[in-house]
Amino acid sequence: QKEVEQDPGPLSVPEGAIVSLNCTYSNSAFQYFMWYRQYSRKGPELLMYTYSSGNKEDGRFTAQVDKSSKYISLFIRDSQPSDSATYLCATSRVGGDMRFGAGTRLTVKP
Amino acid sequence: DTEVTQTPKHLVMGMTNKKSLKCEQHMGHRAMYWYKQKAKKPPELMFVYSYEKLSINESVPSRFSPECPNSSLLNLHLHALQPEDSALYLCASRLAGNTDTQYFGPGTRLTVL
Repeated sequence: QKEVEQDPGPLSVPEGAIVSLNCTYSNSAFQYFMWYRQYSRKGPELLMYTYSSGNKEDGRFTAQVDKSSKYISLFIRDSQPSDSATYLCATSRVGGDMRFGAGTRLTVKP
Repeated sequence: DTEVTQTPKHLVMGMTNKKSLKCEQHMGHRAMYWYKQKAKKPPELMFVYSYEKLSINESVPSRFSPECPNSSLLNLHLHALQPEDSALYLCASRLAGNTDTQYFGPGTRLTVL
């Protein structure tokens, strides 16, 4: 079993839709949860970062962590074509190295 | 400033060449990483440097040789690579301690002929 599971998609939505991206993880020691956005042929860009359970909102993006079910989510409201990218979830323990999900390829169609 | 820079952006090399990839950050981060990323796959960890000392080598072949000359610079020396080593090579850095967020550079796209 992979430490972080993420549906690779691809996921295609119309402009303006609410996008829900999800990951599950297996190690209860993970404390840090990140979402990275990666455009084609570019390095990953840190989008959201949360510590332990809860919600975090930044503009159109909301990250949720439910440690009881080991489930992490990223919601994108009013999606735009510029949001088309691969979204990678990642987790880590304190002082540990990151574990990435497979990445979900998202296309937002005008 | 959360910038990690990498040079070159693109590199094409033959299997007998020796080349180096460079990474630089001026955020005071004391942990630096090399990742390899193949198309449509997540980044795979290669090496971790913590306080300029190699702390993790994820069983990477010896044709890849990392070097950390100081706290701001990280190199990856390449020698006798194989075509299957063609990939995007990413550098990342992290502020050592409890903040585990890593910041990535734009990567070097390597093609081995």
